[in-house]
Amino acid sequence: DSGVTQTPKHLITATGQRVTLRCSPRSGDLSVYWYQQSLDQGLQFLIQYYNGEERAKGNILERFSAQQFPDLHSELNLSSLELGDSALYFCASSVDVRRNQPQHFGDGTRLSIL
Amino acid sequence: AQTVTQSQPEMSVQEAETVTLSCTYDTSESDYYLFWYKQPPSRQMILVIRQEAYKQQNATENRFSVNFQKAAKSFSLKISDSQLGDAAMYFCALISNSNSGYALNFGKGTSLLVTP
Repeated sequence: DSGVTQTPKHLITATGQRVTLRCSPRSGDLSVYWYQQSLDQGLQFLIQYYNGEERAKGNILERFSAQQFPDLHSELNLSSLELGDSALYFCASSVDVRRNQPQHFGDGTRLSIL
Repeated sequence: AQTVTQSQPEMSVQEAETVTLSCTYDTSESDYYLFWYKQPPSRQMILVIRQEAYKQQNATENRFSVNFQKAAKSFSLKISDSQLGDAAMYFCALISNSNSGYALNFGKGTSLLVTP
């Protein structure tokens, strides 16, 4: 158990809809990362938050947004969903933003778009 | 730009034998970190081992060790005394100071099959 909690585990929805994925980091971790794992793109970094502030952006679509709340949990919002958004979405957390700090991953949310 | 390349989509090893998974990378940074993550069928991402670029000594974690060749930009993972539970996807990853902050940059992965 990594200590990172993601909900829900599975999500099935239709094209055009909007969903919210939730992540609670490990106790004491201030930094949260979101990654997308798909068959064609592999594992890609989406966005990072540190102590409530956006820290870095990767290949995140404009239809996607995220935030980190004062209690440090984070939410990833996906809107106007397309078939290609079907993927496994991981949240990871680390103590801070130093590069030597390992990132611990949650179990992921499997998103299926019908 | 940073790239991580895993040239072996699939590897197979017999139980109790040793297997080496290859990884090459490219970065313009002199200070960076390298990781191997394991993803079993359960889909969890599990940190196996990490290596600091400034350290010449190869990292070791029990049956897992790396061969870090900085000049060649190579970072291979050796699994000794392979066990059935080692069967998984293995991802090599790089983290350095880039426009993407300190996010992990992953390779495409190597699927490891362990046969009895």
